[in-house]
Amino acid sequence: NAGVMQNPRHLVRRRGQEARLRCSPMKGHSHVYWYRQLPEEGLKFMVYLQKENIIDESGMPKERFSAEFPKEGPSILRIQQVVRGDSAAYFCASSPDRNLREQYFGPGTRLTVT
Amino acid sequence: AQSVTQLDSQVPVFEEAPVELRCNYSSSVSVYLFWYVQYPNQGLQLLLKYLSGSTLVKGINGFEAEFNKSQTSFHLRKPSVHISDTAEYFCAVLQGGGSNYKLTFGKGTLLTVNP
Repeated sequence: NAGVMQNPRHLVRRRGQEARLRCSPMKGHSHVYWYRQLPEEGLKFMVYLQKENIIDESGMPKERFSAEFPKEGPSILRIQQVVRGDSAAYFCASSPDRNLREQYFGPGTRLTVT
Repeated sequence: AQSVTQLDSQVPVFEEAPVELRCNYSSSVSVYLFWYVQYPNQGLQLLLKYLSGSTLVKGINGFEAEFNKSQTSFHLRKPSVHISDTAEYFCAVLQGGGSNYKLTFGKGTLLTVNP
């Protein structure tokens, strides 16, 4: 059973460009979470999604950030008009229906904004 | 809002020495507690978790942690570390109730094991 997949692993964007981060949950998991890790900080919750629904986006910045988890395909975290402060590691986690407390993390996408 | 405090940002130890990584949390409701390990440029791997039952929890790679409700602590221990244990360790709390999916992490403790 493959783990949580994220791609790309590394992403470099210039200021003002868009960044798209992808997350494929573990097989059979329909709950996806995105976390952001700023340098020398712990991970911070951003958003929780189920298929086609955003359940909790209380940790998402109000502007430029959006997330989706379509019926088919991976979950996408989109950052428009990136700024230097968006440089961070973005981690995706997934959990099975039976237990939201079990979150399995992907390897992360390291975004660098130049 | 709950918070997690990892008191030591860096812990250097020699190989085969014992180690304790400290974690305190603040929450007025029931909590679930986790320790994750992050090796360089990799994702987080679950070391162990406390959900209920015995307060002494054993995890992978010889690590264990003890839940102390009165002191709101969940310290991680290993009696004898290896070079390969060098990594960043994160303590995390998951609150019970309606938001029982939102992990709150500490800032991490970098464990460096020297020969």
